[in-house]
Amino acid sequence: DQQVKQNSPSLSVQEGRISILNCDYTNSMFDYFLWYKKYPAEGPTFLISISSIKDKNEDGRFTVFLNKSAKHLSLHIVPSQPGDSAVYFCAASALSGFSQKLVFGQGTRLTINP
Amino acid sequence: EAGVTQFPSHSVIEKGQTVTLRCDPISGHDNLYWYRRVMGKEIKFLLHFVKESKQDESGMPNNRFLAERTGGTYSTLKVQPAELEDSGVYFCASSQDRTQGAWANEKLFFGSGTQLSVL
Repeated sequence: DQQVKQNSPSLSVQEGRISILNCDYTNSMFDYFLWYKKYPAEGPTFLISISSIKDKNEDGRFTVFLNKSAKHLSLHIVPSQPGDSAVYFCAASALSGFSQKLVFGQGTRLTINP
Repeated sequence: EAGVTQFPSHSVIEKGQTVTLRCDPISGHDNLYWYRRVMGKEIKFLLHFVKESKQDESGMPNNRFLAERTGGTYSTLKVQPAELEDSGVYFCASSQDRTQGAWANEKLFFGSGTQLSVL
C-alpha cells in the first residue's frame, strides 16, 4: 500500500516554461512534506519543504503548494532551466517521537528541453 | 566539510553470498538512516540510528539484514545470505539532533548510495 504517489513517471518541459510536478498522499497523519532532487549516480538532495500548517512555500524559482483537503501537493519550477533535469521525489513524514522516517513517492523524471 | 560517504559504490555478488555496506555520516550527526530503492521504485525506509542505538528498524525486510553502528560513528549494513530481490540502491542519510533545531530547518543529507546487484 503506497502512501505517497507520483503518478507521472516522466515530464518534459521546454526551457523557460513552468514545470509542475504532482504528488498525492493517503495518510492523514503526514504533517511535513519535502521535495528531493536526484541526479544520476548521486543521492537525493533536499530542495524545498512545507509544513501542514501552510499551503504554500516559496524559495527562488521553486514553490511548493499543499492542498490538505485533497491530500495533494505540487512543485512548481519557474522558469525551468536545463540544470533542473533530474528525478524529483516527493516525501512525507509524520512527527512521531524522534523518527524522521520519510515516505517517498516513486519519483518523476523531469527533462528540460532547450 | 565532507558529506555522507558510502562504499562500495557498486557491488555485484552471487545469490547466497554475504555483502557488507558501509556508511560514514557527516561528522557530528547523531541520526543515521538507511534507505533502499529497488528497481526504480520508491525509496523505502529501512532503519534509523540515534548515535549507536536503533531508534526504528521497522523497515528492515527480514532477518537476513543486520545493521550496526558501533560507537555511534559509521554504520554497516550486512546482507547474509543475499537473495535476488535484495538488488537495488542502498542509501544512507544523516542529520543533526532534531531536538536542537527547528523542524523546518532540519534535512536529511544523503550519500550517493551503493548499487547492489545480486545474480
